Amino acid sequence: AQKVTQAQTEISVVEKEDVTLDCVYETRDTTYYLFWYKQPPSGELVFLIRRNSFDEQNEISGRYSWNFQKSTSSFNFTITASQVVDSAVYFCALSEGETFGDGTTLTVKP
Amino acid sequence: GAGVSQTPSNKVTEKGKYVELRCDPISGHTALYWYRQSLGQGPEFLIYFQGTGAADDSGLPNDRFFAVRPEGSVSTLKIQRTERGDSAVYLCASSLLGQNTEAFFGQGTRLTVV
Repeated sequence: AQKVTQAQTEISVVEKEDVTLDCVYETRDTTYYLFWYKQPPSGELVFLIRRNSFDEQNEISGRYSWNFQKSTSSFNFTITASQVVDSAVYFCALSEGETFGDGTTLTVKP
Repeated sequence: GAGVSQTPSNKVTEKGKYVELRCDPISGHTALYWYRQSLGQGPEFLIYFQGTGAADDSGLPNDRFFAVRPEGSVSTLKIQRTERGDSAVYLCASSLLGQNTEAFFGQGTRLTVV
């Protein structure tokens, strides 16, 4: 069975701090995909990234970066120089979007 | 429309009643997904359509839940004999190429069973 664990329920930081959101997953599949989504207060989930299990290269997109480590079954997400607008619930998901973690609520204070 | 549209945005119904929730995906998207999200939890997969057919309905919790997509566009999630435990936000998403590709979500329908 697939499982995604986001151990951090809530994180609070002050603007401009860096913050890392953890994601650990379990799957028996040899090929799988990992995703991160952002859910702002409006409620609509916004796709951030998709990563294939064969591609362990880290990725950077502006202030966002992702660290995929197959050896530890982790796919962590870092926001550099956080901003108030980054405040949201962030979800990690595994394969086909079918298994989501319970999310991490990030609050960025001015 | 520009995005995935779900109607109604809110629905309050009495226990035992029948409800229908509608999803209009992004035009041209062949894949459509339904999820259920309870407070403080991540979305829970219900069903995935590729075109008109349900490619994966393994997430439907029981036979009170049913979904259709007769013309490969709009989808309706139907819940019979609603129970208080069905109260949640029901999310719909669509994607252009199917599973494991970027999905676009609607704002959800908040269903409250009283």
